[in-house]
Amino acid sequence: GAVVSQHPSRVICKSGTSVKIECRSLDFQATTMFWYRQFPKQSLMLMATSNEGSKATYEQGVEKDKFLINHASLTLSTLTVTSAHPEDSSFYICSAPSGGVGNEQFFGPGTRLTVL
Amino acid sequence: GDSVTQMEGPVTLSEEAFLTINCTYTATGYPSLFWYVQYPGEGLQLLLKATKADDKGSNKGFEATYRKETTSFHLEKGSVQVSDSAVYFCALRSNTGFQKLVFGTGTRLLVSP
Repeated sequence: GAVVSQHPSRVICKSGTSVKIECRSLDFQATTMFWYRQFPKQSLMLMATSNEGSKATYEQGVEKDKFLINHASLTLSTLTVTSAHPEDSSFYICSAPSGGVGNEQFFGPGTRLTVL
Repeated sequence: GDSVTQMEGPVTLSEEAFLTINCTYTATGYPSLFWYVQYPGEGLQLLLKATKADDKGSNKGFEATYRKETTSFHLEKGSVQVSDSAVYFCALRSNTGFQKLVFGTGTRLLVSP
């Protein structure tokens, strides 16, 4: 199947710093990518939909100024957690549908963010 | 809004035991239903899916039937292996609107030799 990568896999940062997480579709183009957040023992919660060439669409309750999304190309979306705080510590996962929004989504392996 | 409820884990079984992980959903219209599996250190992978009532999805010995009357999509396997140890997520995708995936909380399966 299609492959989605994420970088870094783990990151530890100090409170107040910003962290960028990359999501890449390795063997297909994705005009849309999705960003999820997963808390321990909880489900994946959709944060936002990243759209190539236009603004991201954020879910209700997600601060767009806090979680900056840039879909720079058809194979790359980035999520920047700005001025990170300990409560932002979580597992961030991206996904991309191969062949369009209604098709099967392929997930990245996730990024573990720890804010000290 | 749409939601998915699945049984809490962990589910601990011996090899060759029968597996059932319950999943029920709430949605308007006729969603598509999915089971994803997450092996340690890896991303979610689609295990199986069903797109309409009474459809049965199957893969790798796992199967689940889309039951509209009970709004359920229970995952079953007749004989589990140690390699099946993973976290299993039930999910739905509405066939209206933007077709977002809505996930259950995940169920960890531990299979011992």
